[in-house]
Amino acid sequence: QVQLQESGPGLVKPSQTLSLTCTVSGASISTGSYYWSWIRQPAGKGLEWIGRIYTGGSTNYNPSLKSRVTISADTSRNQFSLNLSSVTAADTAVYYCAREDDILPGFHSDALDIWGQGTMVTVSS
Amino acid sequence: DIQMTQSPSSLSASVGDRVTITCRSSQSISRYLNWYQQRPGKAPKLLIYAASSLHSGVPSRFSGSGSGTDFALTISSLQPEDFATYYCQQPYTTPHTFGGGTKVELK
Repeated sequence: QVQLQESGPGLVKPSQTLSLTCTVSGASISTGSYYWSWIRQPAGKGLEWIGRIYTGGSTNYNPSLKSRVTISADTSRNQFSLNLSSVTAADTAVYYCAREDDILPGFHSDALDIWGQGTMVTVSS
Repeated sequence: DIQMTQSPSSLSASVGDRVTITCRSSQSISRYLNWYQQRPGKAPKLLIYAASSLHSGVPSRFSGSGSGTDFALTISSLQPEDFATYYCQQPYTTPHTFGGGTKVELK
């Protein structure tokens, strides 16, 4: 079955760039009609949608983060990545990668159906 | 951005209770509404998509309803494993915003 696994540094210094990778197993990120997404969750708080990359390579970002976010894909490694620049303590959170699928095309069914386990990133000097 | 407002933010209930959580969007989103369950320390899991379609493997005690701006998630008979936090999300337009969450606790 399809599985996603986040990886990357657990500690990032303020003003630096947070870089995370999501490795996908059980499916190819370069085939099908999927979006590969990033979501984050500060401790004790709700979920924030960061952005996504389509199988074909187009991207969408949350405007609140758009100037600092880049999502890219490495199809040779079956991975997609998140880069978040100029981080502050407010970027401390658990970061999740997830697959967005149009489960029933034509029926308003875009949903995040498969999630990674999440990785904690702390921004601190 | 479309704002998603859930109520209540928390509730206390007993095993066997019927529980309803509501979600309101700041503009019409047709039936583009998903519900997720998140247990402590775990990733969210998809329960309901397209407002009322049960995701594969999700127990039938979960149901969703609504369209336009008002939606609801109902658990017909609360089970011990259902004590968790529930989030709605709109995939109608980016950014795909989430509601603030509803924590279901044991009374």
